[in-house]
Amino acid sequence: DSGVTQTPKHLITATGQRVTLRCSPRSGDLSVYWYQQSLDQGLQFLIQYYNGEERAKGNILERFSAQQFPDLHSELNLSSLELGDSALYFCASSVGPTTEAFFGQGTRLTVV
Amino acid sequence: GENVEQHPSTLSVQEGDSAVIKCTYSDSASNYFPWYKQELGKRPQLIIDIRSNVGEKKDQRIAVTLNKTAKHFSLHITETQPEDSAVYFCAASNRGQGAQKLVFGQGTRLTINP
Repeated sequence: DSGVTQTPKHLITATGQRVTLRCSPRSGDLSVYWYQQSLDQGLQFLIQYYNGEERAKGNILERFSAQQFPDLHSELNLSSLELGDSALYFCASSVGPTTEAFFGQGTRLTVV
Repeated sequence: GENVEQHPSTLSVQEGDSAVIKCTYSDSASNYFPWYKQELGKRPQLIIDIRSNVGEKKDQRIAVTLNKTAKHFSLHITETQPEDSAVYFCAASNRGQGAQKLVFGQGTRLTINP
């Protein structure tokens, strides 16, 4: 167990819907990262926050948004869902903005 | 931006033999190169990493080498065991300017045959 908690573990939703994925970082970690893992795209970096501030952005779609709250948990919001958004979404956390990152167990999103 | 290529995509070795996985990266500013192991249905787990000021790092049966000039780095697993079977990912990142964006290779599915 890495100490990074993601909820829910599984999510099935219909196209066009909106979902929110939640991540609680390890105790003491200030930085949170979101990654998408799909069969055809592999592990793709979406976004990084450090102490509530956005620090780096990857190829995150405009339909996706994220934030890190004062208690350091983070949420990834996915809207206008498409079949192609079906993937494993991982959250990772680290103490500092450039230190070793530990991954959570992921949320498996299935869009039908 | 950074691009990481990983080879081979699948690798099958006999138990006890060595396995080598290779990655190349494109951005010369990358300075941090971790390797992650992912078992089926599980999270990626960091197994070893290397920084650009080091050429080689070893941890028991696992070693990583880095050639900055050629922009490639490799994972070496010796005396392989069945529990080494997993998908391995290399990654590269420029750990500068207060951010860390890991760019991953496509992964290598390693199978250890008993």
